[in-house]
Amino acid sequence: GENVEQHPSTLSVQEGDSAVIKCTYSDSASNYFPWYKQELGKRPQLIIDIRSNVGEKKDQRIAVTLNKTAKHFSLHITETQPEDSAVYFCAALATGTASKLTFGTGTRLQVTL
Amino acid sequence: DAGVIQSPRHEVTEMGQEVTLRCKPISGHNSLFWYRQTMMRGLELLIYFNNNVPIDDSGMPEDRFSAKMPNASFSTLKIQPSEPRDSAVYFCASSSGGKIDTQYFGPGTRLTVL
Repeated sequence: GENVEQHPSTLSVQEGDSAVIKCTYSDSASNYFPWYKQELGKRPQLIIDIRSNVGEKKDQRIAVTLNKTAKHFSLHITETQPEDSAVYFCAALATGTASKLTFGTGTRLQVTL
Repeated sequence: DAGVIQSPRHEVTEMGQEVTLRCKPISGHNSLFWYRQTMMRGLELLIYFNNNVPIDDSGMPEDRFSAKMPNASFSTLKIQPSEPRDSAVYFCASSSGGKIDTQYFGPGTRLTVL
């Protein structure tokens, strides 16, 4: 089955700096890669996703890149703010009735003043 | 839109007791997912329903766990008998287009089994 690895497990940046979180996946058939943000005690919420037919997608301060050849994708947050502090999860999905959305282990991002 | 609704929000029970978690998906969504989140194992998909039919239950840990979706607006996850290692946050999520579409998570049920 699919295996998703996520790095780093914790990340501390100063306000205004950029943050990058990286994920690798094992199943070359995976074609959907969402990113979720989970604040302490809250539910995971989708912040951005990318499908395999594009290499990059951007939404304001957040961008995701995908390298299908290398089987890795990354989340980029620019001009970080304290409210960006949360746990971020990447995930990968291959279509097919037997497939499932497999999550990475999460990255705890701390944005310091 | 009220979003995905889960109840109870918190449940504390003793080992051996039956626990039932409930979920109401977003109206119009035809896919429903049950996840379990722990520090050790992260977010795990337990079971996935499409049009009220269980499609993939390979994540259900053992026979003590069962899930039903009697209609499009209600699902339950039951643990009988419960064990301390079942303590976790259980999330329900729904989507409108199957697994490939955005999944919206409910607030979760924090289960503690003593």
